[in-house]
Amino acid sequence: GENVEQHPSTLSVQEGDSAVIKCTYSDSASNYFPWYKQELGKRPQLIIDIRSNVGEKKDQRIAVTLNKTAKHFSLHITETQPEDSAVYFCAASLTGGSYIPTFGRGTSLIVHP
Amino acid sequence: EPEVTQTPSHQVTQMGQEVILRCVPISNHLYFYWYRQILGQKVEFLVSFYNNEISEKSEIFDDQFSVERPDGSNFTLKIRSTKLEDSAMYFCASSEQGSSSSELFFGEGSRLTVL
Repeated sequence: GENVEQHPSTLSVQEGDSAVIKCTYSDSASNYFPWYKQELGKRPQLIIDIRSNVGEKKDQRIAVTLNKTAKHFSLHITETQPEDSAVYFCAASLTGGSYIPTFGRGTSLIVHP
Repeated sequence: EPEVTQTPSHQVTQMGQEVILRCVPISNHLYFYWYRQILGQKVEFLVSFYNNEISEKSEIFDDQFSVERPDGSNFTLKIRSTKLEDSAMYFCASSEQGSSSSELFFGEGSRLTVL
């Protein structure tokens, strides 16, 4: 089955800096890569996703890149703000059918004011 | 905005006891899931459910676990004889069939503590 590795486990940055979280996956058939944000004590929520037919997707301060050859994808947050502090999970899956995303271990992002 | 709701938010139980966690998925969603998250660890897939039957399950989902959709709105996870290692946050999620985004909508979780 699919295996997703995520690094780093903890990331501490100053407000205004950029943050990058990296994930690798094992199943070359995976074609859908969502990122979820989980604020303390709350439910995970989708923040951005990318499909295998594109290499990059951007939404305001958040961007995700995908390298299918190397089987890795990354989340980039620019101009970080304290409210970006949360745990971020990457996932990989196949669209269609039962769709079972496999999650990474999560990255705890701390943005210091 | 529609949300997945879960009850209870926190349950404390003695080892060996049965526990039922309840979920109400978003009404027009057809795929339902249970995940668990042991403190500080990754979100782990347990089981998916579609068309009133289990569609996939992980190795974690052994004979101690079962799921049921007893009516048109509830989706339950039962743990027959809880073990200490079952202590975790259990998330229910649902997704809309045919959705181009394939987004999972999670509930707020049920924290299970087994003593």
